[in-house]
Amino acid sequence: DAGVIQSPRHEVTEMGQEVTLRCKPISGHDYLFWYRQTMMRGLELLIYFNNNVPIDDSGMPEDRFSAKMPNASFSTLKIQPSEPRDSAVYFCASRPGTSVLLSYNEQFFGPGTRLTVL
Amino acid sequence: DAKTTQPNSMESNEEEPVHLPCNHSTISGTDYIHWYRQLPSQGPEYVIHGLTSNVNNRMASLAIAEDRKSSTLILHRATLRDAAVYYCILRDIRNQKVTFGIGTKLQVIP
Repeated sequence: DAGVIQSPRHEVTEMGQEVTLRCKPISGHDYLFWYRQTMMRGLELLIYFNNNVPIDDSGMPEDRFSAKMPNASFSTLKIQPSEPRDSAVYFCASRPGTSVLLSYNEQFFGPGTRLTVL
Repeated sequence: DAKTTQPNSMESNEEEPVHLPCNHSTISGTDYIHWYRQLPSQGPEYVIHGLTSNVNNRMASLAIAEDRKSSTLILHRATLRDAAVYYCILRDIRNQKVTFGIGTKLQVIP
């Protein structure tokens, strides 16, 4: 099992450019989460999907951010236009679907994408 | 959302037990208590979770107060590889969202 895969691992771009972060969840997982981590704000949930459908995007900071999940094995987080304050580590996580036996919420995190906007 | 309070940092000597506290005085009856940890330069990983009773797994133990307003993560024998940021999180069973705070940075001293 390869785990959650994120690409790129590092991204350096200039202010105003479009940035696309990619995530491949663990096969069979029904939920996908996007998080952002900064020193000041810690780890924040941006959006999550269930069966490819966005359920809660209340954490998305503003309209410059958008996320899609066209199929069960792929998701993107796009920032357009990017700004220096978007510099952070972005994590993708996935988890299996809810069932009677799954009372917990074990999310499996990817290695993250470190984004630097100059 | 129910919130948790943890010390910013703690130290432990290698091979000694570590008790990481968490206060969650506004916990509701449908909140599960979860612990994750984040090793340097990695994404968070699940450690343990519980509702009312104490829990044990291969990584750690979770002790939950009788009134559920606090809990303690116990690492029975700290190793250098346990140096990480530990997050105490509440999750409503009816909701998939979890809110990570700042966590406790654990330093293990050889």
